[in-house]
Amino acid sequence: AQKITQTQPGMFVQEKEAVTLDCTYDTSDQSYGLFWYKQPSSGEMIFLIYQGSYDEQNATEGRYSLNFQKARKSANLVISASQLGDSAMYFCAMRELYLYTGTASKLTFGTGTRLQVTL
Amino acid sequence: DVKVTQSSRYLVKRTGEKVFLECVQDMDHENMFWYRQDPGLGLRLIYFSYDVKMKEKGDIPEGYSVSREKKERFSLILESASTNQTSMYLCASISGSGSYEQYFGPGTRLTVT
Repeated sequence: AQKITQTQPGMFVQEKEAVTLDCTYDTSDQSYGLFWYKQPSSGEMIFLIYQGSYDEQNATEGRYSLNFQKARKSANLVISASQLGDSAMYFCAMRELYLYTGTASKLTFGTGTRLQVTL
Repeated sequence: DVKVTQSSRYLVKRTGEKVFLECVQDMDHENMFWYRQDPGLGLRLIYFSYDVKMKEKGDIPEGYSVSREKKERFSLILESASTNQTSMYLCASISGSGSYEQYFGPGTRLTVT
């Protein structure tokens, strides 16, 4: 079974500073994908970034980067130059990759980290 | 743009009522999911469907059922709503052909009184 652990229920960061949100995972699968989603107070889930287990380079998307350390089973999200609009709930998630239908398509989520960006 | 829509953003129902939550996606996705989100618990999978009329239980199916009569529509049914089903419900879909991003609807905040 897959498991995602996010140990930081809440974080504060000052505007323009970088922040790291922690995520560790547990799986026996060889091929899997790791995801980060942002959920603002409005409730919608916004996909941020994806990392495949066989990707050799860390994923980056604009101000977001994923610090992937496979041996440590960690997939931390780094947000550079924080903005007030980054205040939201952030979820780490994973799923198997070798099948794209049925059971293997489901995402397993962590409990989330609430990020608050301050002036 | 992929669109996943849910029939209501907010819903208030009484204990014992039958509740239908509707989800529609417009991208011809094979796989659709219903999650429940509660503070401190993250998102938990209730049911999913990988084809029309096909369904599988997720991690917390008790008290829920689902229906998928058409590819684009996936309904979550609370046969007899209870107060412990007060929650945020999120629908999602993903293509079966190798894409990795799961698209979410805006969510339905259900309150059972």
